[in-house]
Amino acid sequence: DTEVTQTPKHLVMGMTNKKSLKCEQHMGHRAMYWYKQKAKKPPELMFVYSYEKLSINESVPSRFSPECPNSSLLNLHLHALQPEDSALYLCASSQVDGGSTDTQYFGPGTRLTVL
Amino acid sequence: QKEVEQDPGPLSVPEGAIVSLNCTYSNSAFQYFMWYRQYSRKGPELLMYTYSSGNKEDGRFTAQVDKSSKYISLFIRDSQPSDSATYLCATMDSSYKLIFGSGTRLLVRP
Repeated sequence: DTEVTQTPKHLVMGMTNKKSLKCEQHMGHRAMYWYKQKAKKPPELMFVYSYEKLSINESVPSRFSPECPNSSLLNLHLHALQPEDSALYLCASSQVDGGSTDTQYFGPGTRLTVL
Repeated sequence: QKEVEQDPGPLSVPEGAIVSLNCTYSNSAFQYFMWYRQYSRKGPELLMYTYSSGNKEDGRFTAQVDKSSKYISLFIRDSQPSDSATYLCATMDSSYKLIFGSGTRLLVRP
């Protein structure tokens, strides 16, 4: 089973709202990732968690706040977003953060629209 | 110069054709190469994973890496309309972060 699940599938929020995106995997992977993908562009890395600790923050604005409550779950808390933050937000996981077999498996994404 | 270059297409072929998708990369230190398929409004799906040079085959898909020319290819035999998607090549940098190409849109016409 190589499944990464994400909820919700779609989210519409105003610029003053607070919302959260959720990601879950049950493959025993110890690295989890958040990516942002704009239309007709490849995914852009935002955050990496390795063994439940934040290991990479790609200079993401503080209105995005990641959280890894346990090895299977990853959240992305959203607050005071801008319309340009509208995108597909992808979660991925891999066995470990680094290594020759460290292939990443992606979830279906959450399509976020900021009004 | 981008680290991974990929023609965005779109590439339109008739059903049953052999499709060739290609990427070039700039850093000779890259060793791991992936191909992802992404359907519209869905997450990328890992198709093939190769290490160093050579070929790897999986059903109708063959991934090829030529390190001497820094060229990676994905061949799809007997292409089907269900293969219509965006194909992303990717490699890993020294910190194991994925570096994607821009993606090639493929349309297989019935």
